[in-house]
Amino acid sequence: IAGITQAPTSQILAAGRRMTLRCTQDMRHNAMYWYRQDLGLGLRLIHYSNTAGTTGKGEVPDGYSVSRANTDDFPLTLASAVPSQTSVYFCASSEELAGLTDTQYFGPGTRLTVL
Amino acid sequence: GQQLNQSPQSMFIQEGEDVSMNCTSSSIFNTWLWYKQDPGEGPVLLIALYKAGELTSNGRLTAQFGITRKDSFLNISASIPSDVGIYFCAGQAGGTSYGKLTFGQGTILTVHP
Repeated sequence: IAGITQAPTSQILAAGRRMTLRCTQDMRHNAMYWYRQDLGLGLRLIHYSNTAGTTGKGEVPDGYSVSRANTDDFPLTLASAVPSQTSVYFCASSEELAGLTDTQYFGPGTRLTVL
Repeated sequence: GQQLNQSPQSMFIQEGEDVSMNCTSSSIFNTWLWYKQDPGEGPVLLIALYKAGELTSNGRLTAQFGITRKDSFLNISASIPSDVGIYFCAGQAGGTSYGKLTFGQGTILTVHP
C-alpha cells in the first residue's frame, strides 16, 4: 500500500530557480493539501484542493502555486525560490474536504534547501 | 489567522513516567486532533475528538476536548522508548475552514530508558 508518495526526498536549490514538488496518492481521496513545516511553527497550510480541477489558498500561499489536473496528483511549484522557502514540505490527503471525521494522511515529506 | 499554543515545547522523561501536553486556542474549534511525527516521516493521526467534553483513549493515550472548545490535552501513560517523537495538536474550525487544519508548534518528547 503506497498511500502518498512525494518526490524528491530532498533537494538543494539555488535562489531564483523554479522547482516543482510532486505528490501522488493512490487512495482516490478527493481532498489534498500542501503544508510546510518549520521549527517552532508546526505545520502551516500552503494550498489545498477539495477535488480535481479546484484549488484554494491556505495560510501561507505566497510564492507557491498548485494545480489539480486529476484526482491522484497535486504538484506544488515554487516559481522563483527564495531562502525563506527552505523548509520541509508535506503533502496530505483526505476523503473529502468538508468531512468532519475525515483523517488527513501525510506523505513522507520533501526537505528543500534554498541557497 | 487562528493560533494554537502548544506546551510544553519539549519534555525529557524516564521510561515508565506519564506525560501530559496541551493546546489552547484563542478561538473555537469543532474538531481537535493529535498527531505524532517520527523522525524523517510525516505526521500520523493518534486521536480525533469531535465533541466538547469528549474523552477518548487509544491504548496508553488519552485525549480530551475541552468544554470551552478552545483547548485539548493529551496524556501518555507509562511511557516507553518508542513514544519518542514530536506530538502535534491540530484544530479544525468548521464552516468555511472545513478540512483545513491549524497545527500547534509541537512537543518534542524524549524518553530515557
